[in-house]
Amino acid sequence: DVKVTQSSRYLVKRTGEKVFLECVQDMDHENMFWYRQDPGLGLRLIYFSYDVKMKEKGDIPEGYSVSREKKERFSLILESASTNQTSMYLCASTQVNSNNEQFFGPGTRLTVL
Amino acid sequence: GQNIDQPTEMTATEGAIVQINCTYQTSGFNGLFWYQQHAGEAPTFLSYNVLDGLEEKGRFSSFLSRSKGYSYLLLKELQMKDSASYLCAVRDMANAGKSTFGDGTTLTVKP
Repeated sequence: DVKVTQSSRYLVKRTGEKVFLECVQDMDHENMFWYRQDPGLGLRLIYFSYDVKMKEKGDIPEGYSVSREKKERFSLILESASTNQTSMYLCASTQVNSNNEQFFGPGTRLTVL
Repeated sequence: GQNIDQPTEMTATEGAIVQINCTYQTSGFNGLFWYQQHAGEAPTFLSYNVLDGLEEKGRFSSFLSRSKGYSYLLLKELQMKDSASYLCAVRDMANAGKSTFGDGTTLTVKP
């Protein structure tokens, strides 16, 4: 059974802290994605990766960075958290040679105080 | 770029049929997805259309017209558990693994 897991369901951090959100998939998928989801704004792509050590900016990369050292793991980093980064963060993965449906993790609700 | 439009909210009655529309304007077309997302949960895949026509899967069907840049998701015999957000997503031309999502339609099913 396909599985995408995220390190935390809920996280509370303070302004200026460095925050790491981890995502792991067990499906040997090449592509992995980080989104944030806010009311009225839908799912917005932050970064994605199509291979180990490869990354590309999405629509809203400012204030974020990512790391993909292993195929199964894709990390999202907030270098210095700010209150406007309070959001639901969703990780997803997909296989290249398929209809490319994305499999999502359960999400991390991050609150920055 | 991609522009995807769907209604923000819809309400329907248990047992009825509801159609959720999605229109898109894209520089190319490489397939369209529908996802379901219950409140507080992750989106889950419902359907995929790449050719014109209707794809049926149980109570849910999805239709695509590429010439009109239009898709709809049809839900029959509505149940209370169908109350959720429904996301339309268009697959990227340059990177087939990537999709652009609409803002979603929140469907409320009433008894």
